[in-house]
Amino acid sequence: DVKVTQSSRYLVKRTGEKVFLECVQDMDHENMFWYRQDPGLGLRLIYFSYDVKMKEKGDIPEGYSVSREKKERFSLILESASTNQTSMYLCASSRSVSGNTIYFGEGSWLTVV
Amino acid sequence: AQSVTQLGSHVSVSEGALVLLRCNYSSSVPPYLFWYVQYPNQGLQLLLKYTSAATLVKGINGFEAEFKKSETSFHLTKPSAHMSDAAEYFCAVSKDTGRRALTFGSGTRLQVQP
Repeated sequence: DVKVTQSSRYLVKRTGEKVFLECVQDMDHENMFWYRQDPGLGLRLIYFSYDVKMKEKGDIPEGYSVSREKKERFSLILESASTNQTSMYLCASSRSVSGNTIYFGEGSWLTVV
Repeated sequence: AQSVTQLGSHVSVSEGALVLLRCNYSSSVPPYLFWYVQYPNQGLQLLLKYTSAATLVKGINGFEAEFKKSETSFHLTKPSAHMSDAAEYFCAVSKDTGRRALTFGSGTRLQVQP
């Protein structure tokens, strides 16, 4: 069965802290994604990676960075958390095939106080 | 650039009534189109997808969607709503070439009244 696992479901961090959100997939997928979900805005793409050590900016990369040292793991990094980064973060993965299904993790709720 | 518009942020139907969730897309190339569902406190689950085969696509839980190129639409329907269908539904589009990420609509929350 397909599995995308996000290490933390709920986090509370202070403004200015460095935050790591971890995601692991067990399907040997080439592509991995980080989305942010906010009410009324749907899902917005932060970054995605199409191979180990390869990344591409999404629609809202400001304030975020990513790391993909191994194929199965994709980390989202908030260098200095701010209150406007309070949100639900969703990790996803897919094969690198046109029209292929993207599989999502259960999400990480981040609150920055 | 590709985009998706979902008409109606909230839709309420009675149990047993027809469900119709609207989605219009904009894409400069033939698109792939998806519907995902999100239950409370969960990630997104694929309902169905259109990949240029049949224009009427059947998905899980009795949902289906029809791709209409002339109307640039991909509306989601279900003949008879069930209480368990209450969730948020997202329409998404991806291009055949280039980035393989999905562009999502803003979502429609479906309420099912007893």
